[in-house]
Amino acid sequence: QVQLVQSVSELKKPGASVKVSCKASGYTFISYAINWVRQAPGQGLEWMGWIEPNTGNPRYAPAFTGRYVLSLDTSVSTAFLQINDLRTDDTAVYYCARVGVGTRLGIDLWGQGTLITVSS
Amino acid sequence: DIQVTQSPSSLSASVGDRVTITCRASQTISNFLSWYQQRPGKPPNLLIYAVSTLQNGVPSRFSGAGSGTEFTLTISGVQPDDFATYFCQQTYTVPRTFGQGTKLEI
Repeated sequence: QVQLVQSVSELKKPGASVKVSCKASGYTFISYAINWVRQAPGQGLEWMGWIEPNTGNPRYAPAFTGRYVLSLDTSVSTAFLQINDLRTDDTAVYYCARVGVGTRLGIDLWGQGTLITVSS
Repeated sequence: DIQVTQSPSSLSASVGDRVTITCRASQTISNFLSWYQQRPGKPPNLLIYAVSTLQNGVPSRFSGAGSGTEFTLTISGVQPDDFATYFCQQTYTVPRTFGQGTKLEI
């Protein structure tokens, strides 16, 4: 079954770090870039960045540089989003999603989302 | 970065209506625009890519049009299942920005 399965929701304190995982199955992992998309409560979608499994190179949207780190473990077909120095306004659902490497097509597969709540 | 402005932010309709949502890009994006539907508590679902190509399984009452900087999503004969939020996304360049979303309400 073609799917992306994300790690479970987490509650974190301000200043802490969190690492969200996204495990791919059912397709050739290196053929698709993994995007990360943030959705704050009641808000729209924000494209955070992506990482291409064939190169391991991440690209970040300007608003998501510095505290955000995208990485991969191709041996287990898993992508990761790490957020450092968490702030309360990082509270959101984070989605991983795939798009074909080198294509300009839409995102055709999404993970179920991981809710990160940042609160003291 | 390319900005994508989506309108309206909300839209009221009745079953059977024809509705249109618009996205405008701050610069030309050729035909690299996708549309998504999102229901509460669920991830988005790809409806249309490359402006007008329906993703497999998407009903034909959904259609997309446009080029350059102005694009539309039309639902011809809204069904109860269509009441959701819709987003566009430019896939021309990085960062691949989304529109702000349109909530389609009864």
